[in-house]
Amino acid sequence: DTGVSQDPRHKITKRGQNVTFRCDPISEHNRLYWYRQTLGQGPEFLTYFQNEAQLEKSRLLSDRFSAERPKGSFSTLEIQRTEQGDSAMYLCASSLGGSERQETQYFGPGTRLLVL
Amino acid sequence: RKEVEQDPGPFNVPEGATVAFNCTYSNSASQSFFWYRQDCRKEPKLLMSVYSSGNEDGRFTAQLNRASQYISLLIRDSKLSDSATYLCVVNTGNTPLVFGKGTRLSVIA
Repeated sequence: DTGVSQDPRHKITKRGQNVTFRCDPISEHNRLYWYRQTLGQGPEFLTYFQNEAQLEKSRLLSDRFSAERPKGSFSTLEIQRTEQGDSAMYLCASSLGGSERQETQYFGPGTRLLVL
Repeated sequence: RKEVEQDPGPFNVPEGATVAFNCTYSNSASQSFFWYRQDCRKEPKLLMSVYSSGNEDGRFTAQLNRASQYISLLIRDSKLSDSATYLCVVNTGNTPLVFGKGTRLSVIA
């Protein structure tokens, strides 16, 4: 399967613990995005990378959240000191990242986080 | 005002019916528009891009009205497999995608 992959698919943790999620984009894609989705809502943008550079962060991304894409390939999203309000589906997407503004983003299956 | 607004539904329609979803967006600088489909507990998948001239893909037709900042999706001859949440998505060109909350469709036998 050459699509976007995410790991783990599910994570249950206790409040206050740290969690880390991984995303592997489609191999030739330069842009990588993280979104968060809660029940009954559409996905909300968190941050994105052009290669290894983190170009934009949403105000939703508090200082407990950090994302990296060290070699411009896979990315990790870490949440420190998790809170119950962090429970959500965390979606990763990737795109080619060329000059075409109407480029398509392809989503991974998501990591579903439950904070107890 | 939300950036992208959709009627959440649910729309419950019989097989074979025609159903239309509407979406409005607030940012007049928006440059590209999409409809994504999301099945329960799955990731969003691109259904179609929306072009100014309108476009059709089989049973699906998308329309864009820039003056009214309005996007629509028409599904003809609904199938049971069309049951899903349909997300209206907008891109201003400088920021990543902005999603509506989605419209839930249930096609009933």
